[in-house]
Amino acid sequence: AQSVTQLGSHVSVSEGALVLLRCNYSSSVPPYLFWYVQYPNQGLQLLLKYTTGATLVKGINGFEAEFKKSETSFHLTKPSAHMSDAAEYFCAVSVHQPNTGNQFYFGTGTSLTVIP
Amino acid sequence: ETGVTQSPTHLIKTRGQQVTLRCSSQSGHNTVSWYQQALGQGPQFIFQYYREEENGRGNFPPRFSGLQFPNYSSELNVNALELDDSALYLCATELAGGRNEQFFGPGTRLTVL
Repeated sequence: AQSVTQLGSHVSVSEGALVLLRCNYSSSVPPYLFWYVQYPNQGLQLLLKYTTGATLVKGINGFEAEFKKSETSFHLTKPSAHMSDAAEYFCAVSVHQPNTGNQFYFGTGTSLTVIP
Repeated sequence: ETGVTQSPTHLIKTRGQQVTLRCSSQSGHNTVSWYQQALGQGPQFIFQYYREEENGRGNFPPRFSGLQFPNYSSELNVNALELDDSALYLCATELAGGRNEQFFGPGTRLTVL
């Protein structure tokens, strides 16, 4: 079975500080991992994804994430928070099932607040 | 801009009614998934369609059904609406032969009174 756990439903950081959003996954097969951002009243926008290869993945808006298989983690980081980073962030795992295609499982989300 | 559109943006229904939500994507996006996102929650997988056939289903009852059309549009139908069906409904499409990436629409906010 596949699942995603996001530790901390709310995270607050000061503008310019490090952003760290945590994600742990459970998967019975090698997963593809994703981070999405959602602004109020909008759909989800892909920040970055890990499929294969390099475990440190760089995304848009200065975000990056590192896939650590031994820790089953895919934490999202950004060195310096900007006010525009305030949003809801979702970690997701995708597993390819032979008969049902790619199935996506999302965490419950982390709301990021950036304090001026 | 993902090229995925959904209509309507907002919808209010009463308990017991039926609703149809629509999603339209770009040419070549032959896989569409529908999600329900309750307030303060992550998206929950409802079902997926590939080449106009259901290709996987989450833990949702049969009163949630869908259709996919050759023109890369799709519908989500919900019968016998319940109060707990109030949520943001998202569709997400995948490009044929794509890199396992879903493109999300802006969603339809459904309120059931």
